[in-house]
Amino acid sequence: DTGVSQNPRHKITKRGQNVTFRCDPISEHNRLYWYRQTLGQGPEFLTYFQNEAQLEKSRLLSDRFSAERPKGSFSTLEIQRTEQGDSAMYLCASSRPTVVYGYTFGSGTRLTVV
Amino acid sequence: GIQVEQSPPDLILQEGANSTLRCNFSDSVNNLQWFHQNPWGQLINLFYIPSGTKQNGRLSATTVATERYSLLYISSSQTTDSGVYFCAVFSGNAGNMLTFGGGTRLMVKP
Repeated sequence: DTGVSQNPRHKITKRGQNVTFRCDPISEHNRLYWYRQTLGQGPEFLTYFQNEAQLEKSRLLSDRFSAERPKGSFSTLEIQRTEQGDSAMYLCASSRPTVVYGYTFGSGTRLTVV
Repeated sequence: GIQVEQSPPDLILQEGANSTLRCNFSDSVNNLQWFHQNPWGQLINLFYIPSGTKQNGRLSATTVATERYSLLYISSSQTTDSGVYFCAVFSGNAGNMLTFGGGTRLMVKP
């Protein structure tokens, strides 16, 4: 069990640029989740995959955001035309087919839009 | 949607002291999880506890689902316990989405 891996750890980008983050879940976990956490707040749900299918999306996931999990393994989260309000920690988590053991989170990608 | 409230929002302890953190939720939930977020931002799973009581070393948790609350007990606190403690409940269409509370920010002083 190597844990959930996220890359990059930090990203600084200029407003208007596109950014992409990657998440590698625990290998036997078929469920993958993206959350966003702003300073001083708890994480907020963005989207959820079961294998390669995106099954649930939050209203927070505007049309500038897109997430993929093409082969049911790693996932990418892309933000187009970044805005300063996108600055946050983006967290990925994975879980087994039944969430009996709960989620395991990665270390997150901290995005700063300048 | 479901509301999750944690108390107290901030807590300062002297090393060695005990504490109780509370989590109230507004609706019936399938399950509940407690996390510790360390100063580097990593969310560490403490307990997955739909009901009853679990213990892990100096930490224990109790969930009373029928009364819509959960408690996290920290005994003999250490400086490494500092950080933010989050309660999160499972909701959503398939019961997979976590809704987090606002957290309890704990500082343990030596």
